[in-house]
Amino acid sequence: GAVVSQHPSRVICKSGTSVKIECRSLDFQATTMFWYRQFPKQSLMLMATSNEGSKATYEQGVEKDKFLINHASLTLSTLTVTSAHPEDSSFYICSAGGQGADEQFFGPGTRLTVL
Amino acid sequence: SQELEQSPQSLIVQEGKNLTINCTSSKTLYGLYWYKQKYGEGLIFLMMLQKGGEEKSHEKITAKLDEKKQQSSLHITASQPSHAGIYLCGARGTYKYIFGTGTRLKVLA
Repeated sequence: GAVVSQHPSRVICKSGTSVKIECRSLDFQATTMFWYRQFPKQSLMLMATSNEGSKATYEQGVEKDKFLINHASLTLSTLTVTSAHPEDSSFYICSAGGQGADEQFFGPGTRLTVL
Repeated sequence: SQELEQSPQSLIVQEGKNLTINCTSSKTLYGLYWYKQKYGEGLIFLMMLQKGGEEKSHEKITAKLDEKKQQSSLHITASQPSHAGIYLCGARGTYKYIFGTGTRLKVLA
């Protein structure tokens, strides 16, 4: 089956630093990857849609300059949280799929803690 | 925009009891997915429903999509502690994927 990995699984950083999270599709090529954020006891909220070779599409209210997304290849998308602050602490999950918004395959998530 | 509302928000049941979780869409569903998650971990795909009236089962979990394709239910028979977690329904919106509000299930041994 389709496997999506994320790295790192956990990261703790100091306020003001930048953190990069990788999302990889291990056994298939993903033209589209999605980045989600999840706060405790809440559902997943879509942050942005990452398309290979083009700019990401951000959801309303998501700062594109703070959450930089790069989808340089069909198997890798990265999310960089720039100048992280404690309120950015959350669980970040990526998913990968084919064209449009068909069935997606989810990564195991990355827990970010900003001190 | 399309929204998915789940009920109940949380549920505590005794081991062995049956339970049902509902997912209601504000618009017609074209593909409804059920996932299980333990917070801090990834999503586990349970099943996908596409046709009105469709019903699928996996082990002790059964999911249905109503004829009008605006509501789905997830039923667990003879619940076990291993069923505990967060259940999320998901659906394809017009151009993106959306998730339900989630149902937190706790099963008491």
